[in-house]
Amino acid sequence: KAGVTQTPRYLIKTRGQQVTLSCSPISGHRSVSWYQQTPGQGLQFLFEYFSETQRNKGNFPGRFSGRQFSNSRSEMNVSTLELGDSALYLCASSLEGGLNIQYFGAGTRLSVL
Amino acid sequence: QQQVKQSPQSLIVQKGGISIINCAYENTAFDYFPWYQQFPGKGPALLIAIRPDVSEKKEGRFTISFNKSAKQFSLHIMDSQPGDSATYFCAARSDNYGQNFVFGPGTRLSVLP
Repeated sequence: KAGVTQTPRYLIKTRGQQVTLSCSPISGHRSVSWYQQTPGQGLQFLFEYFSETQRNKGNFPGRFSGRQFSNSRSEMNVSTLELGDSALYLCASSLEGGLNIQYFGAGTRLSVL
Repeated sequence: QQQVKQSPQSLIVQKGGISIINCAYENTAFDYFPWYQQFPGKGPALLIAIRPDVSEKKEGRFTISFNKSAKQFSLHIMDSQPGDSATYFCAARSDNYGQNFVFGPGTRLSVLP
């Protein structure tokens, strides 16, 4: 079974631009969560989607948004990029969410110049 | 209250030794405590997890000890191997938050051959 796939792996953007990151969950998994990982703040939860609906949201500004498609693939979007948005963005999928095991992708490394 | 504290920040252990990483939390609503292992360039992977109704869980060389009254839990890696060299994250979650995991800041473990 293929794992969680995130594309692209690396991305360089400039301040003020917007970016869209993609996540393909493990086949059959309906829950997709997004995390931001930085050296200073560690791993922080962004949001979780289940059956195309946002089920949980972390403490991030509205510039961070996401969506989930009917095939469970998910995208996250960051608008008006700031230097502080430079991070590794990780996607994780699980069967139904809750206490199901989360499987992480390798992440998308975003650099904002 | 949503924080999970983790120590030490880094740990160096000789091959065959015991690695011990400690975590503490404040939110008594947390009821699921996983540990993740992350290698460079990879996403975190679930190592072992515990619910607060048990005080210890062992899987192979990895053991979680849980002290509910002290709101602390720890990971013990017995017979540490160079292949265990990675960053370890403790995390916590409550049923009210779906897949919204709160992560500790991480411990970088180096096992010397």
